[in-house]
Amino acid sequence: DAKTTQPTSMDCAEGRAANLPCNHSTISGNEYVYWYRQIHSQGPQYIIHGLKNNETNEMASLIITEDRKSSTLILPHATLRDTAVYYCIPGYGNKLVFGAGTILRVKS
Amino acid sequence: AAGVIQSPRHLIKEKRETATLKCYPISRHDTVYWYQQGPGQDPQFLISFYEKMQSDKGSIPDRFSAQQFSDYHSELNMSSLELGDSALYFCASSPPGLSLPGELFFGEGSRLTVL
Repeated sequence: DAKTTQPTSMDCAEGRAANLPCNHSTISGNEYVYWYRQIHSQGPQYIIHGLKNNETNEMASLIITEDRKSSTLILPHATLRDTAVYYCIPGYGNKLVFGAGTILRVKS
Repeated sequence: AAGVIQSPRHLIKEKRETATLKCYPISRHDTVYWYQQGPGQDPQFLISFYEKMQSDKGSIPDRFSAQQFSDYHSELNMSSLELGDSALYFCASSPPGLSLPGELFFGEGSRLTVL
């Protein structure tokens, strides 16, 4: 499984874009990049995933660098309810190995 | 649509006792995953099942066992409980298509406290 490096924590003002970086320099060619989040003690929630191209859905955008060694999750207009731990997870198939994520605090 | 259902939501046991957690996946989902999350820790993958067969194994202690039944629900059995087994246990399910990437749907978890 590829190793990831994410900031331990980040703050974001409510209504502003939250940009969460992830380094996954050891990702292999067939591994996707998944992003999940976990709001305090709730079950993790899927956000988005991608392979090479940038992706967007109703929750977020995912920007993957051309060499695929890093990616950025963008929450375009963060709200207080987006306060959570965000996990970047390279993987293939459906097994997910959670590493240490980023605690995002959205502040009013 | 109903999500992944886990029961019980809370469970208190004494050391050396046995506990069983149940997971009911979303309808037509054929793959089930179990995760353990200790206090202040990140979720750790324990084991997964696809079509009633074990498909992957993580850091599951030998004291734990699990299975998936014909209706696709799964049970995690934990014996000789230790204080360190106190954790949130999450179950997740995913739709057919084991080798394709996709999203896992997590339940709300079962909180096990071992005294």
